[in-house]
Amino acid sequence: GENVEQHPSTLSVQEGDSAVIKCTYSDSASNYFPWYKQELGKRPQLIIDIRSNVGEKKDQRIAVTLNKTAKHFSLHITETQPEDSAVYFCAASIRGNSGGSNYKLTFGKGTLLTVNP
Amino acid sequence: NAGVTQTPKFRVLKTGQSMTLLCAQDMNHEYMYWYRQDPGMGLRLIHYSVGEGTTAKGEVPDGYNVSRLKKQNFLLGLESAAPSQTSVYFCATRGMPYEQYFGPGTRLTVT
Repeated sequence: GENVEQHPSTLSVQEGDSAVIKCTYSDSASNYFPWYKQELGKRPQLIIDIRSNVGEKKDQRIAVTLNKTAKHFSLHITETQPEDSAVYFCAASIRGNSGGSNYKLTFGKGTLLTVNP
Repeated sequence: NAGVTQTPKFRVLKTGQSMTLLCAQDMNHEYMYWYRQDPGMGLRLIHYSVGEGTTAKGEVPDGYNVSRLKKQNFLLGLESAAPSQTSVYFCATRGMPYEQYFGPGTRLTVT
């Protein structure tokens, strides 16, 4: 099955700096890569996603890049703010045996991002 | 709309007891999922369903059973709870095209 590795497990930055979280995946058939943010005690929420026909996607201060050849993708957060502090999870889709598409996600183990004021 | 809700929010069980976690959604989504979240382990898929009356095993299905008798509900059962099942359980649904929406979670402790 799919295996997703995420690094680093913890990341501490100063407010205003950039943060980068990297993930690699094993299944070359994966074609959907979302990023979720989970604040302490809350549910995970989608912040950005990318499909394999796109190399980069940006939404205000966050961006995701995808390198299909190398099977890795990264989350970039610029001008970090204290409210960006949370656990971030990457994930990759895997096609199931019953047909359909992108209905199972394999998650990385998460990165705890701390933004220091 | 309530989105995805989970019942109960917290529960403490003794080893060997059984319980059922309920996930309900009002978004008319076909796909539903049960995950468990443990420190340092991310989210791991227990079981999932691609529609009413269907279920399938995920990454860590042992010790759990599920049922999807109605489209809006997805039940997760523990027949004989073990301390290793202490975790936070999240239900999720899949919208269009691929985004998964999570419930608020159930924190389960097995002593």
